[in-house]
Amino acid sequence: GQNIDQPTEMTATEGAIVQINCTYQTSGFNGLFWYQQHAGEAPTFLSYNVLDGLEEKGRFSSFLSRSKGYSYLLLKELQMKDSASYLCAVRDLDDYKLSFGAGTTVTVRA
Amino acid sequence: DTAVSQTPKYLVTQMGNDKSIKCEQNLGHDTMYWYKQDSKKFLKIMFSYNNKELIINETVPNRFSPKSPDKAHLNLHINSLELGDSAVYFCASSQETTGGNEQFFGPGTRLTVL
Repeated sequence: GQNIDQPTEMTATEGAIVQINCTYQTSGFNGLFWYQQHAGEAPTFLSYNVLDGLEEKGRFSSFLSRSKGYSYLLLKELQMKDSASYLCAVRDLDDYKLSFGAGTTVTVRA
Repeated sequence: DTAVSQTPKYLVTQMGNDKSIKCEQNLGHDTMYWYKQDSKKFLKIMFSYNNKELIINETVPNRFSPKSPDKAHLNLHINSLELGDSAVYFCASSQETTGGNEQFFGPGTRLTVL
């Protein structure tokens, strides 16, 4: 099974940077995903890491360290529209199952 | 041209009733999923089908029965609805054999059991 931990809430100012950490303990690992979910909407895919290192995609970057069971999502130049829940999800080795963390609610203030 | 669609978007019903939620994807994906998101926003896998074959069946009451008539559709039927079934149910799809594996989610069905 998977045990995935991420902070419940974070608050930051418009234009700032926020880093959301995710730690996991797994029986098998085949990649880590980050999803964004606005209130009342569906989760949307942000990033995927399967090898160690940093993946950059515009204002969003995601980092993975498999030996430490650790990932972070970095949001730069925060905008009001980035206020949302950010979900860390780990993929099983043996099947296609994604196990999600409880999500981190990010609030961006003016 | 919605990628993953679900019907209905909202469903309000009485305890003990039977209801169905339908899901369709037009992405040509080979794998489809049902998730339940409870009031604490925790998203949990229920079922997954790959090429119409059940591959993930989590610990879900047998009142829940998925059905995949073809690769593009995965429906969820719920018998004898209980108060605790109230949640948002998301359908998702992905291309597992040749694709990037990311899952695309439908808009969700908000089920309220009274």
